[in-house]
Amino acid sequence: EDQVTQSPEALRLQEGESSSLNCSYTVSGLRGLFWYRQDPGKGPEFLFTLYSAGEEKEKERLKATLTKKESFLHITAPKPEDSATYLCAVQLLSGAGSYQLTFGKGTKLSVIP
Amino acid sequence: NAGVMQNPRHLVRRRGQEARLRCSPMKGHSHVYWYRQLPEEGLKFMVYLQKENIIDESGMPKERFSAEFPKEGPSILRIQQVVRGDSAAYFCASSPQTGWTEAFFGQGTRLTVV
Repeated sequence: EDQVTQSPEALRLQEGESSSLNCSYTVSGLRGLFWYRQDPGKGPEFLFTLYSAGEEKEKERLKATLTKKESFLHITAPKPEDSATYLCAVQLLSGAGSYQLTFGKGTKLSVIP
Repeated sequence: NAGVMQNPRHLVRRRGQEARLRCSPMKGHSHVYWYRQLPEEGLKFMVYLQKENIIDESGMPKERFSAEFPKEGPSILRIQQVVRGDSAAYFCASSPQTGWTEAFFGQGTRLTVV
């Protein structure tokens, strides 16, 4: 069964304290791995899509990387406004998984001033 | 450039009533996906629709739930005879016709069954 596991479930950081969020996946043929940010009471906001091992993408203080088994979302010098739940999702190469996204449960990040 | 629009944002229904959730995809998008997010759970796929066609409803409960995406107008997720367990946030996403590299979500409808 295809699985997506995110860790840690929750993370508290001091402002400026860099860290990484992990997303490990067990799927039969990965087409793409997605990162989203979700604020309380809002819909998921698209951040990145990664397609192949070794790929990296950056946006402001965020950098996403991908290996064959996991993805990391690195947060450099976070600010309180980075506080949110970060969701990871996978899209498969074929079948129903080629249009469905399978989500992890998310990592709730709190950045303390 | 409006994004995916969902309404209502909040919906309260008594047990046994019907709930109708609406989703207007982004301009130029003809594929719609519904997801459900239960408290403390991840987003779960429910149904995938194209205009006038249900492509995959494998994630939708067999009873009381239905979805449509008519030729004109928004996509509708309909829940008949709601129960407390239906309380959740329901999100819609849309994608363009020729496949997608980014899936954009609406702000969701939060359904509370009392």
